[in-house]
Amino acid sequence: EAQVTQNPRYLITVTGKKLTVTCSQNMNHEYMSWYRQDPGLGLRQIYYSMNVEVTDKGDVPEGYKVSRKEKRNFPLILESPSPNQTSLYFCASSLSPEVTEAFFGQGTRLTVV
Amino acid sequence: KNQVEQSPQSLIILEGKNCTLQCNYTVSPFSNLRWYKQDTGRGPVSLTIMTFSENTKSNGRYTATLDADTKQSSLHITASQLSDSASYICVVSPSGGSYIPTFGRGTSLIVHP
Repeated sequence: EAQVTQNPRYLITVTGKKLTVTCSQNMNHEYMSWYRQDPGLGLRQIYYSMNVEVTDKGDVPEGYKVSRKEKRNFPLILESPSPNQTSLYFCASSLSPEVTEAFFGQGTRLTVV
Repeated sequence: KNQVEQSPQSLIILEGKNCTLQCNYTVSPFSNLRWYKQDTGRGPVSLTIMTFSENTKSNGRYTATLDADTKQSSLHITASQLSDSASYICVVSPSGGSYIPTFGRGTSLIVHP
């Protein structure tokens, strides 16, 4: 089954404690991206990756890092989380950023206290 | 600044009725426009994708239209079902080398029996 898998689904952490949210896809997609979704706001792109070792900033990259060492995995790293990074995070993948269907993960709800 | 405005913000209809959701955008130049359905707490699911040269695209009971001249799109839902209750999100992607999409805030649809 074609899917994008994020882990964990829920995470509560303390300010400053480094964390990683994993994202894996089984569709051999080249394009992957991370988004955050906050109440009253639309989804906003954090980072995206066109292929292995090719990543670029989205709309709201501050406080986040990513890596793309393998085609299937695109982890999101918060080196020093702060309360304003409390949000619902989604990973997505597609064949390309152009007119191809994008598949989203099930989401990771992060709370930073 | 690129913007995507959706209306109405929320909508309540009776099961079996039709409805139309609106999306106005300022993104230019424009590559593609997508409509997603997002159930509460889940990742968005793709409904339709249209390039600037297409003016209509259907997916079952969902029909999207696009007027690239006026920068407007609509999503028409026919014979609504209880399972259509969700948030519907319009997303516009630019062309010209930028791969950062702009998301609307969504229309929350509730279908009552």
